[in-house]
Amino acid sequence: NAGVTQTPKFQVLKTGQSMTLQCAQDMNHEYMSWYRQDPGMGLRLIHYSVGAGITDQGEVPNGYNVSRSTTEDFPLRLLSAAPSQTSVYFCASSYSLGYQPQHFGDGTRLSIL
Amino acid sequence: ELKVEQNPLFLSMQEGKNYTIYCNYSTTSDRLYWYRQDPGKSLESLFVLLSNGAVKQEGRLMASLDTKARLSTLHITAAVHDLSATYFCAVDRGRGGADGLTFGKGTHLIIQP
Repeated sequence: NAGVTQTPKFQVLKTGQSMTLQCAQDMNHEYMSWYRQDPGMGLRLIHYSVGAGITDQGEVPNGYNVSRSTTEDFPLRLLSAAPSQTSVYFCASSYSLGYQPQHFGDGTRLSIL
Repeated sequence: ELKVEQNPLFLSMQEGKNYTIYCNYSTTSDRLYWYRQDPGKSLESLFVLLSNGAVKQEGRLMASLDTKARLSTLHITAAVHDLSATYFCAVDRGRGGADGLTFGKGTHLIIQP
């Protein structure tokens, strides 16, 4: 059981480039979220989804887009990368019932030059 | 806006000692989560606290929730080196986890022999 899989694990971009961070889960979880983690800041919510076709903005959504065409996949798109988006990005998923904890992927370490 | 504050943010302690990490949050919520993160790794769920007065224990860690005081504590008993990690508390933003979590900044815990 793979859980939450994020690709790539590492990426270096130049300012202005675009890219997509992939997230897939095989646990049939309804809820999925993207967070970014910066030193001393904890994790901050970027976007989240309660199911296929439904997404919403979190605390720091600017510069990012998401879509959820299937239950399994929740990609995060950087439209025009900026150095301020250098961070570690985590995808998480959870069941909709019973207040289950979120399961996190291993993260994508992104550097923007 | 939901705010979550942890203290201390950094803690160095000796093996065998007891200590408590505090997590205060700003809005009414009955659901609070504790996570552990090792350096360069993902987040691992430790405890899910779902109601006022909830207490959970696992080994040398015990977590509690006081929703009236909007306070959760993570108590470490007779610390051992293996507990060195960063500990995060996180509060449900709404709808039973559907809206993601708001995290504290984390407590970086170092346990020395």
